[in-house]
Amino acid sequence: GQQLNQSPQSMFIQEGEDVSMNCTSSSIFNTWLWYKQEPGEGPVLLIALYKAGELTSNGRLTAQFGITRKDSFLNISASIPSDVGIYFCAGSEGGSEKLVFGKGTKLTVNP
Amino acid sequence: GAVVSQHPSRVICKSGTSVKIECRSLDFQATTMFWYRQFPKQSLMLMATSNEGSKATYEQGVEKDKFLINHASLTLSTLTVTSAHPEDSSFYICSASIVNEQFFGPGTRLTVL
Repeated sequence: GQQLNQSPQSMFIQEGEDVSMNCTSSSIFNTWLWYKQEPGEGPVLLIALYKAGELTSNGRLTAQFGITRKDSFLNISASIPSDVGIYFCAGSEGGSEKLVFGKGTKLTVNP
Repeated sequence: GAVVSQHPSRVICKSGTSVKIECRSLDFQATTMFWYRQFPKQSLMLMATSNEGSKATYEQGVEKDKFLINHASLTLSTLTVTSAHPEDSSFYICSASIVNEQFFGPGTRLTVL
């Protein structure tokens, strides 16, 4: 099935640094979602985006729904060790509730 | 709010046996639930969409007779892996949908010996 192109695949950063990751799609999405998954757990919803150009924050996290509706980015400011995990973007097309997932960005934060 | 539970969290079974995994939405009703499979270090792959009161819709390549889905109520969907084999070992995750947002359960680790 279709997958989103998510990059980077992994990141190794120092505590306090800012992080940016993004997803692109070849088709137009109506919804972009960003999830975080920790080992052995299910994904946890971080931010949901519904409109092109929408910029939404959740604490130190900020995500944007691209103007073309084919991309989205997630920024994490002032990273802390508990930010460690795998971040997935996901999107839905048209009126579908089905989500297509990116391959994930594995974030490692060194104290 | 929007809490989804799964049971069991881990299961080990012998090859040839069937395993049932439950997915419950604890504080909301979900007409639609989804079942995913995730292999180590990989993304989530949608297996099927579970609709309350009707048959599940399976993704291409997913055997409906092997992965039986029942959505008996607005808060419960079950996935039964029939005649499990070692290649069915995986992390199975369910989600429940509210509007356009999916909330995930904690997952079930299935190991088939």
